[in-house]
Amino acid sequence: QLQLQESGPGLVKPSETLSLTCTVSGGSISSSYQYWGWIRQPPGKGLEWIGSIYFSGNTYYNPSLKSRVTMFVETSRNQFSLQLKSVTATDTAVYYCTRSLNWGGDFDSWGQGTLVTVSS
Amino acid sequence: EIVLTQSPATLSLSPGERATLSCRASQSVSNYLAWYQQKPGQAPRLLIYDASNGATGIPARFSGSGSGTDFTLTISSLEPEDFAVYYCQQRSNWPTFGQGTKLEIK
Repeated sequence: QLQLQESGPGLVKPSETLSLTCTVSGGSISSSYQYWGWIRQPPGKGLEWIGSIYFSGNTYYNPSLKSRVTMFVETSRNQFSLQLKSVTATDTAVYYCTRSLNWGGDFDSWGQGTLVTVSS
Repeated sequence: EIVLTQSPATLSLSPGERATLSCRASQSVSNYLAWYQQKPGQAPRLLIYDASNGATGIPARFSGSGSGTDFTLTISSLEPEDFAVYYCQQRSNWPTFGQGTKLEIK
């Protein structure tokens, strides 16, 4: 059974870069027709798609975040990562890593989520 | 950006009743619409994809319908574990989610 697990700092200072990693177990990140992504949810609010990546390195980003987002895959470690630069308090959220069979949706596997707080 | 509007914001029903949740898109998304269930402190769970296809392991009481701009999630007979927040999500354009419908026990 596919499992995803987020890891990274729970506290980031304003203007710095948020960095998270998702470790995939129970399956290969290099398998065809799988996209790996990040979705976030501010406390008490709804869901926002951040971006998706294919194992080949093709990326798809939310236009509203594109200037600040970088995603990459480390196939040897079966991991993929998110970097969000120049963070502000509005980036405080639970960040989920996901798997989907389309770059744009049908997110059928999720990590448990990790809360990242932006504060000095 | 395609905006998804869910209604009602809150739905109060009793176990055994039928629940009907709506999602309307600001422009056609064809059938590229999914539904998710989220319980407090948990990640969302995919229920329905491509408007009407049940995801793996989802009970038959959950069904989806619609195409274009108007979609419905129906729970035929509510179980106690079904009370949660439900989100719709489109993938016709870059992905967006509705604001959610909270299904609460009456």
